[in-house]
Amino acid sequence: GAGVSQSPRYKVTKRGQDVALRCDPISGHVSLYWYRQALGQGPEFLTYFNYEAQQDKSGLPNDRFSAERPEGSISTLTIQRTEQRDSAMYRCASSPGTSGPRSEQFFGPGTRLTVL
Amino acid sequence: GQNIDQPTEMTATEGAIVQINCTYQTSGFNGLFWYQQHAGEAPTFLSYNVLDGLEEKGRFSSFLSRSKGYSYLLLKELQMKDSASYLCAVRAGGATNKLIFGTGTLLAVQP
Repeated sequence: GAGVSQSPRYKVTKRGQDVALRCDPISGHVSLYWYRQALGQGPEFLTYFNYEAQQDKSGLPNDRFSAERPEGSISTLTIQRTEQRDSAMYRCASSPGTSGPRSEQFFGPGTRLTVL
Repeated sequence: GQNIDQPTEMTATEGAIVQINCTYQTSGFNGLFWYQQHAGEAPTFLSYNVLDGLEEKGRFSSFLSRSKGYSYLLLKELQMKDSASYLCAVRAGGATNKLIFGTGTLLAVQP
C-alpha cells in the first residue's frame, strides 16, 4: 500500500515568509509525528498527534511553529516568518498504534526547506 | 537530560559481521528502535526491543540491556547495500510517544 507522503518535496522561500508543509500518513494510522533532521544528524522530535489531538508539542522550537491534524488524518506543519535557521529536512512519520511493536514509526520522504 | 551515544563512523568488509553500539541515558524508557537510513532517503525500521535480550530478524539482530542503558545492532554477512547510516532511537515513555534519536552511525562496507 501507499506509504507516508509529504508535499512539497522541496520548498525555497524568502526570509519572513510563511510556509505550510503537508503530511499524508498511511491510511488508518492513529499517530502522526513531525521531526526535523539536519544533515548528518538523527531526526529531532517536534510534535505528535493521536488522531486529531496534539499530544506533545514540546519539540517545537518557538511560537512561529505550529501544527494541526483537524480530521485525524492529514497534518500541516506551519512555520511563520521563516528564518534562515529554519532551513532543514522536515520529516513526517506515522504509526498504527501507540504501544509495543505497533508503535513502529514509518517515515515519509521529507520536505527540504531552504530559507534564503 | 536525554542522551544517546553511538559511534559516528564504522568501516567493515563485505561478508563480515559488524556490531554497532548504542548507549542511552533518558528520563524514561519504553522501547528502543533501530532504523537504517540510506543517503538522501527516509529512515526505515529495522528492529524493536523493549525487554532485555536478543531479537533476531534475518541478517540483523538487536540486543538490549536496560540496566546498563545499552543496545547493539549486529549485522551479519555484510553486503555492499548495507552501507548506510544506522540510527538508534529511544522512546522515552510516560505521557509522550516521541522517539529520541542518536546522531547515527555511518557504516561503510568495503569489498
